[in-house]
Amino acid sequence: GAVVSQHPSRVICKSGTSVKIECRSLDFQATTMFWYRQFPKQSLMLMATSNEGSKATYEQGVEKDKFLINHASLTLSTLTVTSAHPEDSSFYICSALGTVTWPYEQYFGPGTRLTVT
Amino acid sequence: AQTVTQSQPEMSVQEAETVTLSCTYDTSESDYYLFWYKQPPSRQIILVIRQEAYKQQNATENRFSVNFQKAAKSFSLKISDSQLGDAAMYFCAYSVQGGSEKLVFGKGTKLTVNP
Repeated sequence: GAVVSQHPSRVICKSGTSVKIECRSLDFQATTMFWYRQFPKQSLMLMATSNEGSKATYEQGVEKDKFLINHASLTLSTLTVTSAHPEDSSFYICSALGTVTWPYEQYFGPGTRLTVT
Repeated sequence: AQTVTQSQPEMSVQEAETVTLSCTYDTSESDYYLFWYKQPPSRQIILVIRQEAYKQQNATENRFSVNFQKAAKSFSLKISDSQLGDAAMYFCAYSVQGGSEKLVFGKGTKLTVNP
């Protein structure tokens, strides 16, 4: 149980275009999902917290107009990188909060490798 | 602000031996949670073990155990009987409310297991 999927696993896009990444909780409902960014050989940095039916909360320094997050249902959150540039190339990881048992646990997706050319 | 520090960028261990990964953290909170996560080459992040700060007893999960020293703000991970499948990046992480608030990650320790 507690499986989180991400789609696509890998995407290449041209500079100036937008790309959408999906995060789905497959066997549980998640009112809260998190989006992280991981640079090569580095740690995970939280970008934003996504709550179903409300606006996402962005971490300091993250451009909310560039990284659009939509949590439209209890099983799906999307991250859209708008007007992507090569510096946006990174590994993006989502997690979904399982709330069946306390303490709650974040379950991570397998990540999406974004390359902007 | 909370910070998590892992001072060992890389560690290696012989198969079947024991290795300890170090982690220190800084917080002004009295109640919080600490985690060790594993990220193998597949990049899928998996929770290894969790410790609630209010619990004095160190958490254990099979071959994995922690040494939680609250006063020293230290949280090390001991892996016993190391296996080849333990090779991964290990991240120490902190959260105020279990997993329901953001996780603050350390920079990670890359563990190599030698046959």
